[in-house]
Amino acid sequence: DAGVIQSPRHEVTEMGQEVTLRCKPISGHDYLFWYRQTMMRGLELLIYFNNNVPIDDSGMPEDRFSAKMPNASFSTLKIQPSEPRDSAVYFCASSSRGTPAGSSGNTIYFGEGSWLTVV
Amino acid sequence: AQKITQTQPGMFVQEKEAVTLDCTYDTSDQSYGLFWYKQPSSGEMIFLIYQGSYDEQNATEGRYSLNFQKARKSANLVISASQLGDSAMYFCAMRNIYNQGGKLIFGQGTELSVKP
Repeated sequence: DAGVIQSPRHEVTEMGQEVTLRCKPISGHDYLFWYRQTMMRGLELLIYFNNNVPIDDSGMPEDRFSAKMPNASFSTLKIQPSEPRDSAVYFCASSSRGTPAGSSGNTIYFGEGSWLTVV
Repeated sequence: AQKITQTQPGMFVQEKEAVTLDCTYDTSDQSYGLFWYKQPSSGEMIFLIYQGSYDEQNATEGRYSLNFQKARKSANLVISASQLGDSAMYFCAMRNIYNQGGKLIFGQGTELSVKP
């Protein structure tokens, strides 16, 4: 089975430009997560969806960031306008909902990440 | 509040020896899952092993085992017979399904270096 697919893998953009990151979760998974990783802050959860509905966006840094999930197989994370401090690796991840805590269905699988550099 | 603590920023191990990476967690929930992920220098996050809070036996996956001590709230990763390819960052993480809506919380990570 295909894993979580992210695009682009690498992007270099100029400050002020719009950046759109894309994600295709694993088929059948009903949770989708966007994480950001930096040296200073480690791995941060930005937002996550359940059944295409945003559940918690408290990690979204500011209004410049937005995320959508129009259907079960696609999500976008948009930064507009981008700033140098947005440079990071952005991970998309997905999982199913394992019902008991003992179920490995709780595992969250990550994409390979989108490496964003804003200059 | 939920929290994951990894107290070892860096570890060294000799090739073919075993190594233990420490992880403690804090939660008031009864139902949760504990995970370990490996992040090599190439950057991807690779799932290694899972332990559910109700699992009575320690999880094992090949050379990886999770030493789960629920009363002490620890979930240490043991890698047996270390290989050079094990050199990477290792993250411990926790997911509370019912009360936290399912988000995964990470520790700060431990950088493991395997010496030949």
